[in-house]
Amino acid sequence: DGGITQSPKYLFRKEGQNVTLSCEQNLNHDAMYWYRQDPGQGLRLIYYSQIVNDFQKGDIAEGYSVSREKKESFPLTVTSAQKNPTAFYLCASSISRGRETQYFGPGTRLLVL
Amino acid sequence: AQTVTQSQPEMSVQEAETVTLSCTYDTSESDYYLFWYKQPPSRQMILVIRQEAYKQQNATENRFSVNFQKAAKSFSLKISDSQLGDAAMYFCAYRANSNYQLIWGAGTKLIIKP
Repeated sequence: DGGITQSPKYLFRKEGQNVTLSCEQNLNHDAMYWYRQDPGQGLRLIYYSQIVNDFQKGDIAEGYSVSREKKESFPLTVTSAQKNPTAFYLCASSISRGRETQYFGPGTRLLVL
Repeated sequence: AQTVTQSQPEMSVQEAETVTLSCTYDTSESDYYLFWYKQPPSRQMILVIRQEAYKQQNATENRFSVNFQKAAKSFSLKISDSQLGDAAMYFCAYRANSNYQLIWGAGTKLIIKP
């Protein structure tokens, strides 16, 4: 089946710890995105990547980092610099950074212990 | 700045009835896309329908249709013959063709009464 997978479904972070959220797609899409969703709000863009080894900051990139070493994979690291990481994180992809629609994975819920 | 506003935090409708969700947006661009996404309790974001601004004809997808009023910058979603499975958060989103970024509204929670 073609689609976007995210893991884990739930993730717990301790104070001062870095954690990494996985996003994989087998749709052969060039562009991938990370969004953060807080209660009662729409999605906010953290990072996006148009091609392998290239990525750009979104509106709320501080405290986050990404890599894009493979077309299929776009992991997001939530660093200790992110002081309020509790949120729902959604990964998306699109054919290119053009007119195409973005399709979403099932999301990861990050909680702070 | 481009913004998307959904003025209805919550809507309810009787099963099998029709409901309309409102969305307005602000932009100075002339070429853009508008989207409605559905987020059920599973929280996965699912595309419902999309509209290209250059097309005058309103988009339809089975029981879902839009009323796109470009001059008024309005993009409402009509759900006909509402079903229990339609219960979800509905988000309106905008993207200019000159930009990769989706701008999101805050969402409308749709409740279906059996």
